[in-house]
Amino acid sequence: EIVMTQSPATLSVSPGERATLSCRASQSVSSNLAWYQQKPGQAPRLLIYGASTRATGIPARFSGSGSGTEFTLTISSLQSEDFAVYYCQYYNNWPPGYSFGQGTKLEIK
Amino acid sequence: QVTLRESGPALVKPTQTLTLTCTFSGFSLSTSGMCVSWVRQPPGKALEWLARVDWDDDKYYSTSLRTRLTISKDTSKNQVVLTMTNMDPVDTATYYCARMLLSGSGWYVAFDYWGQGSLVTVSS
Repeated sequence: EIVMTQSPATLSVSPGERATLSCRASQSVSSNLAWYQQKPGQAPRLLIYGASTRATGIPARFSGSGSGTEFTLTISSLQSEDFAVYYCQYYNNWPPGYSFGQGTKLEIK
Repeated sequence: QVTLRESGPALVKPTQTLTLTCTFSGFSLSTSGMCVSWVRQPPGKALEWLARVDWDDDKYYSTSLRTRLTISKDTSKNQVVLTMTNMDPVDTATYYCARMLLSGSGWYVAFDYWGQGSLVTVSS
């Protein structure tokens, strides 16, 4: 079973600054990685899939990179609405399976 | 537009069977390339994928929960139903249904539309 590990658990950043969130897989997952944003009391929102493809309607300040075991979500200039919990998610093509990291809380510094 | 909504009991007793219904609009599960999954999230914890049903009625389950889960669809009602047997307090969570995104490579890769979630508490 592939385990996804996110770091740090909590990241404190000031509005307007860049935030870099990491996700590591216990073995290579190619580019089979997605990122989500979740605010309190809300369902997750898909940001990125295929490691670097932005989902429909996602602002350009969100970008994803990486392949194999190391992945990064970068938010180039933090807006107030970006403070939330972020999850990475691995997808196995066959047999189908999906596993999430434990999340990174992005908080206002 | 695509919407999904979960419904079911807010409270179940240990050992009981949970039945949740996802009612959706804006797409059809009889259309090639569509599928719906269930995902849960215990309070303050991470997300966990549970099961998926495809437009052609193929079904897939989490390895760890396979023996307790059944997913089904009713295309005429635009509904997907999840049953989970032998409920335990550790199953207390918000249960989400979500439509899945089919990538250009032909794989279901992410959850692009989500319901608002249904909180289920397991307690005697």
